[in-house]
Amino acid sequence: DAGITQSPRYKITETGRQVTLMCHQTWSHSYMFWYRQDLGHGLRLIYYSAAADITDKGEVPDGYVVSRSKTENFPLTLESATRSQTSVYFCATGPTNRGGTGELFFGEGSRLTVL
Amino acid sequence: AQSVTQLGSHVSVSEGALVLLRCNYSSSVPPYLFWYVQYPNQGLQLLLKYTTGATLVKGINGFEAEFKKSETSFHLTKPSAHMSDAAEYFCAVSLPPFSGGYNKLIFGAGTRLAVHP
Repeated sequence: DAGITQSPRYKITETGRQVTLMCHQTWSHSYMFWYRQDLGHGLRLIYYSAAADITDKGEVPDGYVVSRSKTENFPLTLESATRSQTSVYFCATGPTNRGGTGELFFGEGSRLTVL
Repeated sequence: AQSVTQLGSHVSVSEGALVLLRCNYSSSVPPYLFWYVQYPNQGLQLLLKYTTGATLVKGINGFEAEFKKSETSFHLTKPSAHMSDAAEYFCAVSLPPFSGGYNKLIFGAGTRLAVHP
């Protein structure tokens, strides 16, 4: 039981193409997050979701679309990929806000290269 | 708004030496603080966290951190470095539950720790 699974782990695409990164969790955590990791910036929040059908923007949402029709899945779509979206993308989950300690659990990342 | 500053993007120590990674935060309310470690080509793993209570927090692999409110710091230490400690370390801050923080973690830029023989 992997807990949180990201796919694909590696992806090369071209500018203008649509790309979807998948995130699946088996813990039934309420919260799910997408971060991107870039050198010198650490991790920056793209989008997050508090529950199925509830999503909200993070720090750097432009160029990305998310959906969450089921609790366990939180796909991230780049509708028209740009070179600036070359990055490592991390999905994370967190238990319900009430009584939680704020800890997040991370997937292994998806490395995306846009040529 | 919350923010995190990690002093030093690269730190190099000898095996057996003290490890000190610095983290300062900014928060309008008492924060929750975290240290995560990332090994090459892997996701982030929680090292330790401060929520409330005792200000000296012990984590995995011999690491510990002390929350100092007066200094707005949460520095990570380990008495004796091991080769396996070489990794990237991230400090993060969030609002506590019930404050609308929704567990959104704000990360520092990271510190890459190198350990040499």
